[in-house]
Order: sequence, then structure tokens, then C-alpha cells
Amino acid sequence: EAQVTQNPRYLITVTGKKLTVTCSQNMNHEYMSWYRQDPGLGLRQIYYSMNVEVTDKGDVPEGYKVSRKEKRNFPLILESPSPNQTSLYFCASSLIQGQQPQHFGDGTRLSIL
Amino acid sequence: AQTVTQSQPEMSVQEAETVTLSCTYDTSENNYYLFWYKQPPSRQMILVIRQEAYKQQNATENRFSVNFQKAAKSFSLKISDSQLGDTAMYFCAFMKHTEANFGNEKLTFGTGTRLTIIP
Repeated sequence: EAQVTQNPRYLITVTGKKLTVTCSQNMNHEYMSWYRQDPGLGLRQIYYSMNVEVTDKGDVPEGYKVSRKEKRNFPLILESPSPNQTSLYFCASSLIQGQQPQHFGDGTRLSIL
Repeated sequence: AQTVTQSQPEMSVQEAETVTLSCTYDTSENNYYLFWYKQPPSRQMILVIRQEAYKQQNATENRFSVNFQKAAKSFSLKISDSQLGDTAMYFCAFMKHTEANFGNEKLTFGTGTRLTIIP
């Protein structure tokens, strides 16, 4: 089954404690992206990757890091989480061929206390 | 930069009725794609329908259809014979066209419309 898998689905943690949200896709997609969803703001892009070892900032990258060492994985790293990073996070992937529809993971609800 | 505006934060409609969700966008691009995504209470993001800007014909998917007005930069979603399972948040999204392997295929989202189907 074609899917984008995010872990964890839920996480409550404290300010300053490093955390990683994993994202894995099994569709051999080149393009992967992270979004955060906040009430009244819709979804906004954090980082994206065009392929292995190719990453770049989206619209709201502050406080986040990513890596793309393998094609299937695109983890989101919060080195020192703060309460303003409390949000719902989505990973998405697609082929880079004529803007194919993006497949989304099921979301990760992060609460930073 | 592109912007997407959904002016209806919430809507409700009786089951089996037709409902139209509005979306307007602003861009200087000539070639782009527009999408409607559905987010049910399970939080999944589900693609409902997609429209290529270069196509004049409005996209349809079963009970879902769009009214794409390129000159007016309007992209509304019509849901016919609404069902209880249509209850969800609906997001309109824009993506500019990029050549393969060039450019960020970012989706720019509106703020969403929460649709409730009343039994």
C-alpha cells in the first residue's frame, strides 16, 4: 500500500528537549515536504527536499532542521522546541513529474509545554 | 508570492442538499494548479479535486465539481447530494507550475472552511 508514515502521531514534551518527527514514504518519491497547520493560518511549508541531500527552507523554517540521507526518509528535527512550535505537522511527498498530487501523512500533534 | 483566501470559516447544510465553498487566489503566474483538500476529524489530508489552470473545462469527481474562473481568480467547490461523511474542514490550495526538478512544488493553502452536514 502506497503511504506516507509519520511517527509519533502525538507527542507532549517540554521546552528545550530535542525531538525528531520521522517521515517515511514507500513510493520512491523525489519530492518531500513538511508543513505545519495552525488554526486560522491553514498549512504552511517548513522545509522541502527535491531529492537525496537536497533540502531548502520553506516559509516558516525557524527553529527546525531536516535531513535527507535516504530517498524514503525525511525527518523533522526540533533542536530546542519552544511553545510556539505547538502545532499539527504533516509530511507530504510526490513525484517531480508535472506536479503530481502530493500524498500526505496522517499528521503529528506536537504539544510543547 | 501567492495568496489563497477562503472567506467562509464555517458552513452547514442539510444532508442531500448542495453546498458551494468559495476560494479566491492571487498570483502573477499564468500556469498553475488548484486543489481542494478535505480534512475529516481523523486529521488526514485527502485530495478531493484538482484543476490545471490551462484547462478551461471545470474538473469533476463524482459529487464534487469546481467552478474555475481564471480571470476572476476564483475556484469554488460544489458538493452535490451532500452526505454525513462530507463533514470536514476543506482547504483550497495553489501550486505554481515548475519544470521537473526545478523549483519548490509548495502548496499554498487557504485558512479552511469547516463544513458540517446536518442529518
